[in-house]
Amino acid sequence: DGGITQSPKYLFRKEGQNVTLSCEQNLNHDAMYWYRQDPGQGLRLIYYSQIVNDFQKGDIAEGYSVSREKKESFPLTVTSAQKNPTAFYLCASSIGIRTGRHYGYTFGSGTRLTVV
Amino acid sequence: AQTVTQSQPEMSVQEAETVTLSCTYDTSENNYYLFWYKQPPSRQMILVIRQEAYKQQNATENRFSVNFQKAAKSFSLKISDSQLGDTAMYFCAFMKTAGAGSYQLTFGKGTKLSVIP
Repeated sequence: DGGITQSPKYLFRKEGQNVTLSCEQNLNHDAMYWYRQDPGQGLRLIYYSQIVNDFQKGDIAEGYSVSREKKESFPLTVTSAQKNPTAFYLCASSIGIRTGRHYGYTFGSGTRLTVV
Repeated sequence: AQTVTQSQPEMSVQEAETVTLSCTYDTSENNYYLFWYKQPPSRQMILVIRQEAYKQQNATENRFSVNFQKAAKSFSLKISDSQLGDTAMYFCAFMKTAGAGSYQLTFGKGTKLSVIP
């Protein structure tokens, strides 16, 4: 079955530590996205990539980094510069802009990151 | 920048009744998409329904329908015959199709819906 997989489901980070969240899709989607979800805040865009080897900052990119070396993979690194990383992180993919119709995003099941 | 506003943080409905969730948005674009996503307690985001701005006909998907008022920039979701499984956070989202930030989803802050047995 085609889908988008995020791992791990739960992640704990110590102060000053970098951690990487995995996101893999087998939908042949061009575009991939990372969102952060906090209570009462909705979803806020961290980074997005419309094509391999290219990515753009979203609204809250500070303290995060990404790479897009393969079409299927879009890992997110939460660096020590992110002062408040405890949140729920959602990865999504879409067909991007190569067709005239758009059907929204497909989301992964999320990663809950907690600072300990 | 586009903004999406959901003015009802929480709502409740009796099982089998009908409920309407509100969403307004602000944009200067003429072509765009609007979406409703559902996030149940599992936290999996599920697409409920989508609407293309150029279509005047309101979208429907089984028990879910929208009232799209383009001039008023309003996009409400009606859930008929509410079921316990409809208990979830509902997010309204906007996507423009041209210019900077195109094909990105901008979300509202969500409405928490509880279906009461």
